[in-house]
This record gives sequence, C-alpha cells and structure tokens, in this order.
Amino acid sequence: GQQVMQIPQYQHVQEGEDFTTYCNSSTTLSNIQWYKQRPGGHPVFLIQLVKSGEVKKQKRLTFQFGEAKKNSSLHITATQTTDVGTYFCARGGGADGLTFGKGTHLIIQP
Amino acid sequence: DAMVIQNPRYQVTQFGKPVTLSCSQTLNHNVMYWYQQKSSQAPKLLFHYYDKDFNNEADTPDNFQSRRPNTSFCFLDIRSPGLGDAAMYLCATSRKGTSGPAYNEQFFGPGTRLTVL
Repeated sequence: GQQVMQIPQYQHVQEGEDFTTYCNSSTTLSNIQWYKQRPGGHPVFLIQLVKSGEVKKQKRLTFQFGEAKKNSSLHITATQTTDVGTYFCARGGGADGLTFGKGTHLIIQP
Repeated sequence: DAMVIQNPRYQVTQFGKPVTLSCSQTLNHNVMYWYQQKSSQAPKLLFHYYDKDFNNEADTPDNFQSRRPNTSFCFLDIRSPGLGDAAMYLCATSRKGTSGPAYNEQFFGPGTRLTVL
C-alpha cells in the first residue's frame, strides 16, 4: 500500500500539556485508522475515520479527517502518564492489511 | 474472553534453523494477518489470509511462508532465519463481510519476539 507520512517522530511533553500527531498522504484515503502501542505492548485500535471532514472524540482524544481525505490528526488534551506510547495512523485494513505510518512516540515528563 | 493468542511469546533460534510461530483466535474472524515489527519501527505487513485465500505482499522475502489450516489458526514459517529477521512478529485478525464497512478494526495478538543467534 502507499505510504502515509506521520510527524513528529518523537514528542516530549510535560504532563498536562497537549499533544498532536499528524498523518499525511499524497493520495486520497478511503479511510484512516489510529492505533496506540504501549511500550512492550501490541497495537490497540483507537478509531477509524471514513468521512471527509469527520471529527470524533474519545474523552481527551480528538481525531480529525481532512476535507480532502489526505490528512488526519490525533490531539490529546491535558496528557497523563497513561498516554505514554506510540501512536500510529494506518490506511487500509479489511481484506488488504494495514499500511502504518512511522508513528509518533509520546514521552511524558511528570 | 475472545482474543488473539500467539505462541511462543519469545523464541530463540539459530542462524539458518527453521522456526515456526503460531497464532490462534477465538474471534471467528475470517481475515488473519502477519506483521513484522523491528525495534522503534512501525509494523510491516508480510501477508494475510482472507478465508483460505493467501495474499502475499510484494516485498515479503521468500524465506517467509504461512499456513492457515483452519479458521482459528495461522502459522508463520521462517525457513532460514537470518540476523536481520530478528523482530517482533504480530498476528492480527479482522472481520471482512460481503456487505457493511470495507475496512474494520484489527485485533492484534501480544506478539512473538524472535531472536536469531
């Protein structure tokens, strides 16, 4: 599958600060999924976005899908130590497998 | 609880010695995937089964093979492991229907960490 570019690669924040990771594609995406992987753990599904301009919220997490369906973002408000991990965006899924972005490693300093 | 199980969790093998990793699922999902994840990198899809249909990624080395004897089980065979094959191997499942969403979430197992000596 075609690549999705994800930035930043690493993000250090103080506990309580906000965090955002961005995912971009050169081609239109049918969908975008977001996964979280804790240190030493496996990817865990967070959400899927399929509609242009879609915004979904899960407690302190806000997910957006761009109007052109070429970019997406994940924003965490007031980070907590439990938010530590790597956040991946991924395109595809279903019967085709996922193509992951490189991920953003979130490091939180107490 | 329905889940994806991988055995063993840690596998040590010698350079060139064949190794098999196993994955089982109780979710009754029709699609099973194998991903390779190297340290600090994203998971990379190796291949997947959609029911009994095998789908190989173009850049997956021939050294990697897979078998799916039934809905619940899937195996990853590495015929001649090299040092570069040391990685975490993740099995995942999803359900793909003939109707409804084209893409569904994937459920990952805990992974098998492979060390090649």
